[in-house]
Amino acid sequence: DTGVSQDPRHKITKRGQNVTFRCDPISEHNRLYWYRQTLGQGPEFLTYFQNEAQLEKSRLLSDRFSAERPKGSFSTLEIQRTEQGDSAMYLCASSNFPGTGDSNGYTFGSGTRLTVV
Amino acid sequence: AQTVTQSQPEMSVQEAETVTLSCTYDTSENNYYLFWYKQPPSRQMILVIRQEAYKQQNATENRFSVNFQKAAKSFSLKISDSQLGDTAMYFCAFMKHYGSEKLVFGKGTKLTVNP
Repeated sequence: DTGVSQDPRHKITKRGQNVTFRCDPISEHNRLYWYRQTLGQGPEFLTYFQNEAQLEKSRLLSDRFSAERPKGSFSTLEIQRTEQGDSAMYLCASSNFPGTGDSNGYTFGSGTRLTVV
Repeated sequence: AQTVTQSQPEMSVQEAETVTLSCTYDTSENNYYLFWYKQPPSRQMILVIRQEAYKQQNATENRFSVNFQKAAKSFSLKISDSQLGDTAMYFCAFMKHYGSEKLVFGKGTKLTVNP
């Protein structure tokens, strides 16, 4: 297994455009998480899925954000009508729940860096 | 709501020396996990060490160890025999023992190991 993959690694878009990011988790992991990390801050939770069900969304996830995990495998995060404040690193992570107890089972991807100009 | 505070934005250490990164947190939970994550420049975040709140013994992983003080809600990371490859952002994080298992992160400490 190659770990958690995120695509693209970098995205530059003009304000007002829509963007979509993809995350491919570790295949046997049933949970998938999205976090946002702005410059000088730690990652902040956005949402998570258990299999195909989206079980929790942060207040940070405005109406312009939508996430899906249609078959319980890969996930997409779409941002509509991007704003400069959306510029950030978007991190995906996956885990197997319940875990073994010996580790937290979280594996992070390398992230997608979004720049809105 | 849980909060995690890292009061040292930046630190530096000489190669082979020891450095301690500080972290405090606030929660009303009794059972939870605490973590230190390492994020090298332009690379993915990786787990350094984890501590379960109900375990009194401090966790250790090779050159990395923690000082967990539950009553004081303090969770510091000690790196012994620092290596150049330890240069990275270090994040302290909190997770409830149940539910979504989402992580609450601090703002991070940028550690530079100098040759």
